[in-house]
Amino acid sequence: DQQVKQNSPSLSVQEGRISILNCDYTNSMFDYFLWYKKYPAEGPTFLISISSIKDKNEDGRFTVFLNKSAKHLSLHIVPSQPGDSAVYFCAASGSGSARQLTFGSGTQLTVLP
Amino acid sequence: NAGVMQNPRHLVRRRGQEARLRCSPMKGHSHVYWYRQLPEEGLKFMVYLQKENIIDESGMPKERFSAEFPKEGPSILRIQQVVRGDSAAYFCASSPPGLAGGEQFFGPGTRLTVL
Repeated sequence: DQQVKQNSPSLSVQEGRISILNCDYTNSMFDYFLWYKKYPAEGPTFLISISSIKDKNEDGRFTVFLNKSAKHLSLHIVPSQPGDSAVYFCAASGSGSARQLTFGSGTQLTVLP
Repeated sequence: NAGVMQNPRHLVRRRGQEARLRCSPMKGHSHVYWYRQLPEEGLKFMVYLQKENIIDESGMPKERFSAEFPKEGPSILRIQQVVRGDSAAYFCASSPPGLAGGEQFFGPGTRLTVL
């Protein structure tokens, strides 16, 4: 049973436009949500996170939105750049001893010049 | 400040051999996590360790897999009697002590190929 789902395996966006990556989760015990970016043959790199007590967090070109009632979060990248082309993973974790991350299956973002 | 180090980066083993994967966390980090990524899938949690303690091994296969994080030295993920299905990328992550939910810093991974 997938607790974190990324239903779009791929997304193509024109350079300068907005990229919107989506993620759904089923476990209401998750307290933190994170986005990671991954290039081939490298480890995931942390991008941005959000606590369940917030509905928005912004860092430069990256904004994460959380809708707890819908159990949905999204990552907005604006403006998109060719260097943003990578696989983006959504992840979630609980609190206390439940520190492990539960990952979605990833979305391959391609930003076209 | 060096990041999370993993070695070897690539490991080839024949069926039935043992694989040992090493992970050195970032300086000051006392929490280590191992994840496995099968082809075309996301990362799956395997085990969470602190120094000399296994905190959560709920993601570890019941047989052939073990992990340790000794007082001195790197964390080791050990796979005995490897099978073709163990071929995957194994990632180690670390985090500092403190509140849950903080980001985890990942190493570059070890790509295990079982012939």
